[in-house]
Parts: sequence; structure tokens; C-alpha cells
Amino acid sequence: NAGVMQNPRHLVRRRGQEARLRCSPMKGHSHVYWYRQLPEEGLKFMVYLQKENIIDESGMPKERFSAEFPKEGPSILRIQQVVRGDSAAYFCASSPESGQHYGYTFGSGTRLTVV
Amino acid sequence: GEDVEQSLFLSVREGDSSVINCTYTDSSSTYLYWYKQEPGAGLQLLTYIFSNMDMKQDQRLTVLLNKKDKHLSLRIADTQTGDSAIYFCAERLDDSSYKLIFGSGTRLLVRP
Repeated sequence: NAGVMQNPRHLVRRRGQEARLRCSPMKGHSHVYWYRQLPEEGLKFMVYLQKENIIDESGMPKERFSAEFPKEGPSILRIQQVVRGDSAAYFCASSPESGQHYGYTFGSGTRLTVV
Repeated sequence: GEDVEQSLFLSVREGDSSVINCTYTDSSSTYLYWYKQEPGAGLQLLTYIFSNMDMKQDQRLTVLLNKKDKHLSLRIADTQTGDSAIYFCAERLDDSSYKLIFGSGTRLLVRP
């Protein structure tokens, strides 16, 4: 039973390009959460999605960032026109249902570097 | 408000005990978690404690919760070099919440 799979592991983009980060949840999990970890900081919640629905995007920057979790395929976090400040590690977690108390399973993350 | 604070760095000798501390501000927190992050890796859930508990033990790990002072600690007995990592404390605000609020992490260095 594979865990949460994220790819790519490392992504380098020039300023102004687009970054697409993918997350495949654990088998049987239909809830996906994206978190961002800036250098030397803890993780910050970005967005919570269920299949074909964005439930809570209160942690997402208002511009340039979008997320989706289609009926088929992985969840995608998309960053348009990247800037240096977008350089961070982006982690995805999944769960079979919302609000489970025993913690989430996180993927290994995508480390985005904007040059 | 939501804020979780941890000391930045801890260095211990192999075989000694490590104690990593965390304070949180929201008294409504229901669950508190400890995650471990090794270099270049994702977060591994180590343990969690429910807010009506004072202590939880799991092999070499002991979690102590002082709800009055909003203080959480993680004790690692017989610390090994493989325990060197960043340890994150996280809180979950209530039973219906899905968000975790993370501290900035404590970097544990275990010296041989």
C-alpha cells in the first residue's frame, strides 16, 4: 500500500514560469491537504480538497495559486508566474475522512526552487 | 490566537535522553502531535496525545502534556544518531477541524 506520492521531488523554475506539483493520495483516501514549508519554518496549511471540490482554500495566496483534485488522477497544485518567494517545500497529506484524530500521512514533498 | 512555539535547536550525546519542548496558545486544542522530518524527507508522524491525557508512552518516546500551562514535551530515551532530525509539534484545534498548526521545528543533533 503505497503512501502519499508526490512528484516531482525537486522542481526548478525561472521567475515567471509555471509550476505544477502533483499529489497522489493513499489508496482509498479521498481527502487531500496541501501545506507549504518556507525555509526554517513549520508547515502552513494552504488548501483542503475532496474529489472535484475545494473545501477550504483559506491558506492559499489569492493570486497565482490554484489547486484541483479531479475525479480521476492526482491532485495538482499550480503556481503561475512564480516568484522567488514561492521557493519552498510543498507537502501533501491525505486522509480517508476529514477530522480524523490520529494525524495525517504526508508525502515526501516537492521542493520548489525559483531562480 | 493560533501559535505554536518551539526552541530551535537541541544537541545531546548518544545514549542520553532528549527533551523537546513546545508551547501552544489555543486552549481549545484537542489533539497534539509530534512529527519527525529527516533531511530532504517528508514528515513522519511519531505520536499524538489527546488533550484529556497527561502522558503517553510509546517505546522510547514519552509525551507529557500540561494543559494548564499549554506545554507539551517529547522525551526520547536512549537517543541514537538516527534520531537526528527536525521535530515538529502540531496542534489540532477541535474535533471538527482538519487543519494542523505547526511549530517551526526543533533541530535535534545527536553527537556520537
